[in-house]
Amino acid sequence: GENVEQHPSTLSVQEGDSAVIKCTYSDSASNYFPWYKQELGKGPQLIIDIRSNVGEKKDQRIAVTLNKTAKHFSLHITETQPEDSAVYFCAVNNAGNMLTFGGGTRLMVKP
Amino acid sequence: NAGVTQTPKFQVLKTGQSMTLQCAQDMNHNSMYWYRQDPGMGLRLIYYSASEGTTDKGEVPNGYNVSRLNKREFSLRLESAAPSQTSVYFCASSWTSGLQETQYFGPGTRLLVL
Repeated sequence: GENVEQHPSTLSVQEGDSAVIKCTYSDSASNYFPWYKQELGKGPQLIIDIRSNVGEKKDQRIAVTLNKTAKHFSLHITETQPEDSAVYFCAVNNAGNMLTFGGGTRLMVKP
Repeated sequence: NAGVTQTPKFQVLKTGQSMTLQCAQDMNHNSMYWYRQDPGMGLRLIYYSASEGTTDKGEVPNGYNVSRLNKREFSLRLESAAPSQTSVYFCASSWTSGLQETQYFGPGTRLLVL
């Protein structure tokens, strides 16, 4: 089945710096790549997604890039703020069109 | 509009006890899902229901059963709880299954099995 690896598992940045989280996947047929943000004590919430027909998508301070040839995609957060501190999960749709999630990245933004 | 709600928020069980986790959504979604979240392992799909009246196994179904009671409600049952089922359980829903649909998650149920 689909295998999704996410790195790093923890990331600490200074407020105002950029943060990058990377995911690799195994199934070349995958074509949908969402990112979820999970705040403490809450369920994951979709923040951005990308489909395989585009290479990059931006929404204000967040962006996702996709390299289908290399089978990896990344989340970029610019001008980080303390409220960006959370756990971030990447996901990939698998052969059954369900989502397979990465292991998560705990992002800490230091004021 | 509450979105996806889950009860209870917390539960402590002894090994061998049974319990049912409840989930309801008010977004008129067709598909519903149950995941478990363990440290470092992301979310793993236990069962899902593509539409009212259907249920299918996910990645880790052993030890669990589900019931799609109606379009709004999807429950997860542990018949004989084991310590390995200590986890945080999330219910989610989407308009349809697959087809690149956004999944909306509930706040989770934290379960400890002693």
